[in-house]
Amino acid sequence: NAGVTQTPKFQVLKTGQSMTLQCAQDMNHEYMSWYRQDPGMGLRLIHYSVGAGITDQGEVPNGYNVSRSTTEDFPLRLLSAAPSQTSVYFCASSLYPGYEQFFGPGTRLTVL
Amino acid sequence: EDQVTQSPEALRLQEGESSSLNCSYTVSGLRGLFWYRQDPGKGPEFLFTLYSAGEEKEKERLKATLTKKESFLHITAPKPEDSATYLCAGGANAGGTSYGKLTFGQGTILTVHP
Repeated sequence: NAGVTQTPKFQVLKTGQSMTLQCAQDMNHEYMSWYRQDPGMGLRLIHYSVGAGITDQGEVPNGYNVSRSTTEDFPLRLLSAAPSQTSVYFCASSLYPGYEQFFGPGTRLTVL
Repeated sequence: EDQVTQSPEALRLQEGESSSLNCSYTVSGLRGLFWYRQDPGKGPEFLFTLYSAGEEKEKERLKATLTKKESFLHITAPKPEDSATYLCAGGANAGGTSYGKLTFGQGTILTVHP
């Protein structure tokens, strides 16, 4: 099993550009989530999904969109990047909500 | 509001010097308390799940314990390779208002000197 995979590992964007961060898991997990990690702020939940076709907002959803068309994939979209979105982004999955989550390697995003 | 607080923020130990990390939690409808290890530039790596007060889990030099309000990560005779950030998180039941979300603490940065 590859576990949770994320692409790209690094990305630099200019303000106003759009992009999609990819996340996939091969463990047949129902629950998937996106976090951002900033110094002094810890891990903050952006969006989560409890199954294909079902998504909801987390703690810091503004500026981000998600969709979940399959069990395996949970992409995160930045429609118009802003410098405040400079961060490290982690995707995670768990078998069910509230269970231990397994994290991907992260994407380091810089918005200029 | 669910809250998880870790202390200390940073801990420096000499190799072989045992110590404990603290995680205080207030999570409505707690299903499990999780511990993770995070190395620089990597994603958090799952270590333990604790489900009920009095439970203990061990892995090599690490032992996690749980009370109704706190969890401790005890490190016995640490080695330099144990240096990392240790995160704890409270996981809410799927049926509650938090719907299975994890609330993370800020982490404790552990440095073990040879």
